[in-house]
Amino acid sequence: DQQVKQNSPSLSVQEGRISILNCDYTNSMFDYFLWYKKYPAEGPTFLISISSIKDKNEDGRFTVFLNKSAKHLSLHIVPSQPGDSAVYFCAATGTNKLVFGAGTILRVKS
Amino acid sequence: EAGVVQSPRYKIIEKKQPVAFWCNPISGHNTLYWYRQNLGQGPELLIRYENEEAVDDSQLPKDRFSAERLKGVDSTLKIQPAELGDSAVYLCASGTNYEQYFGPGTRLTVT
Repeated sequence: DQQVKQNSPSLSVQEGRISILNCDYTNSMFDYFLWYKKYPAEGPTFLISISSIKDKNEDGRFTVFLNKSAKHLSLHIVPSQPGDSAVYFCAATGTNKLVFGAGTILRVKS
Repeated sequence: EAGVVQSPRYKIIEKKQPVAFWCNPISGHNTLYWYRQNLGQGPELLIRYENEEAVDDSQLPKDRFSAERLKGVDSTLKIQPAELGDSAVYLCASGTNYEQYFGPGTRLTVT
């Protein structure tokens, strides 16, 4: 039972344009959501997070939107840069455990 | 400040052999996590430690996997005997549920 789903295995975007990565969840007990970025041969690194009491959190080029009624969150990267090419994992928690999605490979073409 | 350190980075073993992974968390972090990441999947929690106590090992296959964190600092994850399906990246993390820092992982290949 996948509680966190990233339905797009990959996404290709032109440099300078917007990247939108999507994530859906099923567990209503989740109250905190995170995005991690992973380069090859490295561990995931924290990117941005959002609490369930908010619907938007912004940090530089990265913005996360949360739609609780739809159990959906998205990560927007504007403008996209070639260095953003990586695997992006959505994660959620409501207890003492992080549940990860399967990841989306983002390729930013220059 | 040093991040989470893991060794070895890569390990190739034959099935039925034992293998061990080591992790040193960020200094001062009481909570340590071991995850397994299969190809094309996200990390899945195996075990969580609060200091030296394993507080969540519900996803750890206890017939062949074991872990320890004797002094509440570094930790070892062991598999004995390894099976082909254990091939994966084993990640260690430390921090809190809202801010976890991951090591680079150990890529295990069982042949």
